[in-house]
Amino acid sequence: QVQLQESGPGLVKPSQTLSLTCTVSGGSISSGDYYWSWIRQPPGKGLEWIGYIYYSGSTYYNPSLKSRVTISVDTSKNQFSLKLSSVTAADTAVYYCARVWYSSSWEIFDYWGQGTLITVSS
Amino acid sequence: QSVLTQPPSASGTPGQRVTISCSGSSSNIGSNYVYWYQQLPGTTPKLLIYRNNQRPSGVPDRFSGSKSGTSASLAISGLRSEDEADYYCAAWDDSLSGWVFGGGTKLTVL
Repeated sequence: QVQLQESGPGLVKPSQTLSLTCTVSGGSISSGDYYWSWIRQPPGKGLEWIGYIYYSGSTYYNPSLKSRVTISVDTSKNQFSLKLSSVTAADTAVYYCARVWYSSSWEIFDYWGQGTLITVSS
Repeated sequence: QSVLTQPPSASGTPGQRVTISCSGSSSNIGSNYVYWYQQLPGTTPKLLIYRNNQRPSGVPDRFSGSKSGTSASLAISGLRSEDEADYYCAAWDDSLSGWVFGGGTKLTVL
């Protein structure tokens, strides 16, 4: 059973950089059938896709966040990471990491981490 | 403001049939598959429907999806109390080159 677990500081000051890591267990991040994604959910609001990465390092970002986002992968640790710079209160959200199972016929967000609440406040 | 538009709420009584709509554009729903996710209170989203109308194994056939043009719908028949959850539609957007989600619909079983 694949499991994903987010880790990182729960409180970030405005203008600083938010950094999160997702550790994958029960499966290899180097498998060619998956992207590894970050999604966030502001309190009481809907889901927002941040971006995803392939094990080779190819990345795809939400255009509205692209200038501030970096997603990277460390296959030796079976982890992938998110950095979001110049954060404001609007970046306060539950951040999820997720596996995206893709084929020529679908892309499915099939496994999710439990999510971690990141609060941006001084 | 989400790219895909859903009603913020829906409701029904046990046994009823309810539908949740999802409206998009030619660059997302109009040209790509629609997916539906269910988020039960305090849990992570779970795939309900993929490729517009396909159910993963384990999802009851009470749940069905459809798509027409730039809109999609999720129908839940034989409504049960355990269906009370938030429901999200999602699609790839060719113009944005990224995934877009609806704002979510909170389903209440009265």
